Amino acid sequence: RKEVEQDPGPFNVPEGATVAFNCTYSNSASQSFFWYRQDCRKEPKLLMSVYSSGNEDGRFTAQLNRASQYISLLIRDSKLSDSATYLCVVNPLEAGGTSYGKLTFGQGTILTVHP
Amino acid sequence: GAVVSQHPSWVICKSGTSVKIECRSLDFQATTMFWYRQFPKQSLMLMATSNEGSKATYEQGVEKDKFLINHASLTLSTLTVTSAHPEDSSFYICSAPSLKGASTDTQYFGPGTRLTVL
Repeated sequence: RKEVEQDPGPFNVPEGATVAFNCTYSNSASQSFFWYRQDCRKEPKLLMSVYSSGNEDGRFTAQLNRASQYISLLIRDSKLSDSATYLCVVNPLEAGGTSYGKLTFGQGTILTVHP
Repeated sequence: GAVVSQHPSWVICKSGTSVKIECRSLDFQATTMFWYRQFPKQSLMLMATSNEGSKATYEQGVEKDKFLINHASLTLSTLTVTSAHPEDSSFYICSAPSLKGASTDTQYFGPGTRLTVL
């Protein structure tokens, strides 16, 4: 089983649509969680961190369910510029209790927003 | 925000040659840097953790003698792909966390180096 699993998509949605991505992770001791976006042939860029209480940043809402080891990202009012690959990222806790800075990436979900 | 640079941004080399990739933190110090590799249509995979002043730690399955890492200063880590072969062609990305020491530290990614081995 992959450490971080995502539906690779692709998701093709019209402008203005609401789209949701899901992600599951296998390490129950994982410490922190993120969504990154990656444009073609570029480095990943942090979109937002994900907290158990849920957090929102403009049109983007992220949720974490630790009991289910499930992370979600909701994008409202999609824009053409939202077209990218969205990466679910987990900072795992290793044996010995260290995890400093190491990130485990999901495969990514491809989103294409069309006019 | 903090900036991480990589050089070169792309490189094409012949099979059997060695290629050095530099990762620099431009406006902050990084005692630790991470090297990732991304094959087409796949996700980033952590290769190794570069530690300033000590040996790098490699992930399972990554050959330390093939991927030489040197973290010579608090702002520079280098990855050398030795005796490169076509299967080493990939997108190599480095990252450096901020120095607060928390698991939620922001990671700053370099722009990546695209390596093509002919």
